Amino acid sequence: GQNIDQPTEMTATEGAIVQINCTYQTSGFNGLFWYQQHAGEAPTFLSYNVLDGLEEKGRFSSFLSRSKGYSYLLLKELQMKDSASYLCAVRPSSASKIIFGSGTRLSIRP
Amino acid sequence: DVKVTQSSRYLVKRTGEKVFLECVQDMDHENMFWYRQDPGLGLRLIYFSYDVKMKEKGDIPEGYSVSREKKERFSLILESASTNQTSMYLCASGLTGGGTDTQYFGPGTRLTVL
Repeated sequence: GQNIDQPTEMTATEGAIVQINCTYQTSGFNGLFWYQQHAGEAPTFLSYNVLDGLEEKGRFSSFLSRSKGYSYLLLKELQMKDSASYLCAVRPSSASKIIFGSGTRLSIRP
Repeated sequence: DVKVTQSSRYLVKRTGEKVFLECVQDMDHENMFWYRQDPGLGLRLIYFSYDVKMKEKGDIPEGYSVSREKKERFSLILESASTNQTSMYLCASGLTGGGTDTQYFGPGTRLTVL
C-alpha cells in the first residue's frame, strides 16, 4: 500500500529553526512535494524534490533521501505567519496523481 | 496568475439532497482532482480526470460521482447527501506528466449535511 507519515503537531519559537520530517512507502516514486496550508485556506505549493539532496528556497529548504524514503522541510528564522499545517506529498508514478500525508500542524510562539 | 475557483465557500444541505460542487480552472490544465479533507485524515482523493469526459476513481469514490464536460470545469456530485459527507472539499488542477508540475488548489467548500 501507500503510506506517508509525518508528526501531527510541532511547536517552535519565533526566530528559531524547525525541521519537519516525512517518511514514505509508495509503490513507486516520481517526486515529493511540500505544501503549506493556513487554517481555513487551500494548500499552496512550497517545494519539490525528485533527486537526493537539499533544495533551498529562501527561508525554506527541503531534503530528500530516496534510499531511505525520507524527506524533511527546514524552516529558518521562523515568523508568526509560518504557523500553519505542512503537508508532505508523493507522486508514485509519472501520472499526476499525488498522495498526501495527514499534515503537521506547526505552532509558532513568541 | 493561476486561478482555481469553487462555486461556494460554505454550503449547508439536508440528508438525502442532491449536491453539486463546481470547480473551474483558467490554466488550460488537463488534470483535475476532487479531494476531501478531514481532521486527522489529511487530503483524500475522491475522483480525478485526465481529460474531458474522462474520469477515474480515487481512494474514496463511494457516494460520489463526477462530470467533466468541458476542460475547464470539473463537478463533484453527491447523489444523496449523508451526514458522513460533512467535510471540506478541495478541487485542484495540474498539468500532465512529472517534473515540477504541481497541483493548484481552489479555496475549498465547507459542506455541512444536516
